[in-house]
Amino acid sequence: DIQMTQSPSTLSASVGDRVTITCRASQSINSWLAWYQQKPGKAPKLLIYEASSLESGVPSRFSGSGSGTEFTLTISSLQPDDFATYYCQQYNEQYNSYSRTFGRGTKVDIK
Amino acid sequence: QVQLQESGPGLVKPSQTLSLTCTVSGGSISSPSYYWSWIRQPAGKELEWIGRIYSSGSTNYNPSLKSRVTISIDTSKNQFSLSLTSVTASDTAVYFCARRGDRFDTWGQGTLVTVSS
Repeated sequence: DIQMTQSPSTLSASVGDRVTITCRASQSINSWLAWYQQKPGKAPKLLIYEASSLESGVPSRFSGSGSGTEFTLTISSLQPDDFATYYCQQYNEQYNSYSRTFGRGTKVDIK
Repeated sequence: QVQLQESGPGLVKPSQTLSLTCTVSGGSISSPSYYWSWIRQPAGKELEWIGRIYSSGSTNYNPSLKSRVTISIDTSKNQFSLSLTSVTASDTAVYFCARRGDRFDTWGQGTLVTVSS
């Protein structure tokens, strides 16, 4: 199984800050990576897919980059609605592997 | 706007079978053709993909759960279902259904299933 390692596990930031979250895959996943935002008691919301494609309706302050094993999610100017937990998820199908794995999450809280 | 809704018992006894159904509304489960997935999340922990089913009935499962999981689809009812056998306390989680089998672009609200005697 491909393991996904996110860092940091917790991040304290202020409104207006630029925030970067990192996700590392245990082997190359090309660009088959998605990012989600989850708020307490709610389902995750898809933000980014294929490492850098913005899901429809998601604000442009969210962006993703990377390929291979190293990926980042950036929030250019943190807004009050962005305090949440963020997860990365791989969906590589190389070698006929159809398993999907998530990172352990990064909680963004108020500084 | 497609919506998904999970339903099923909120309490299951150890060693029994957990059964959940996801009802799709606002669109057909078979047109256009998508994969449909189940994902779970124990309290305070990360998300775990359980498996997926195509509208044709083709399935893929998480290797760690494969021996206990069956996902099925009923296109006439616009539903797909999860069956997890021989449950233990470690299967206690919020269970989500979701659209697609690669990235998950639409989710149900989730349903808490507790395994306890």
